[in-house]
Amino acid sequence: QKEVEQDPGPLSVPEGAIVSLNCTYSNSAFQYFMWYRQYSRKGPELLMYTYSSGNKEDGRFTAQVDKSSKYISLFIRDSQPSDSATYLCAMSGTGGFKTIFGAGTRLFVKA
Amino acid sequence: EPEVTQTPSHQVTQMGQEVILRCVPISNHLYFYWYRQILGQKVEFLVSFYNNEISEKSEIFDDQFSVERPDGSNFTLKIRSTKLEDSAMYFCASSDPGQVYNEQFFGPGTRLTVL
Repeated sequence: QKEVEQDPGPLSVPEGAIVSLNCTYSNSAFQYFMWYRQYSRKGPELLMYTYSSGNKEDGRFTAQVDKSSKYISLFIRDSQPSDSATYLCAMSGTGGFKTIFGAGTRLFVKA
Repeated sequence: EPEVTQTPSHQVTQMGQEVILRCVPISNHLYFYWYRQILGQKVEFLVSFYNNEISEKSEIFDDQFSVERPDGSNFTLKIRSTKLEDSAMYFCASSDPGQVYNEQFFGPGTRLTVL
């Protein structure tokens, strides 16, 4: 079983749609849960992080962590063409050093 | 805004040659990392470095790889004898563990092509 599983997509939605991105994981030691955005030929850029379980909101983005199910989600409201990118879930243990990434979901938002 | 920089942006080398990838982390950061991303695959952790020594490394980071902070600003990844399967994007990252969350800031990457 992979440590982190993420559907690579691609996911194509119309502008204004609500986007739901998800990951599952197997390692109970993960404490920090992150979502990165990566544009083509660029490095990952942190969007949001959550410590342990719960929800976190930042503008149009909401991250959810359910440690009991080992399932994390990122919701994007009112999606824009500029949101088109690859979204990577990532996780780390205490201290947040070694980070394990999912495969990334490629998102296309059509105008 | 401070950022991590990496040079070169693209490196082409022959199999068996040594390569050194260079990174300049954000100046007040104390932790440094290397990750790689083979084309079409996920970003993979290679190594973390703190206080002039490796703090953690993955199984990918074998004896062919080494890291060094030769001066106060650069952080390098050396691959001693490159193989075809070393072709990938290599990302450097740095972080300031004094923050509430140890956010890692990534550089733009070096594309390594081994022929």
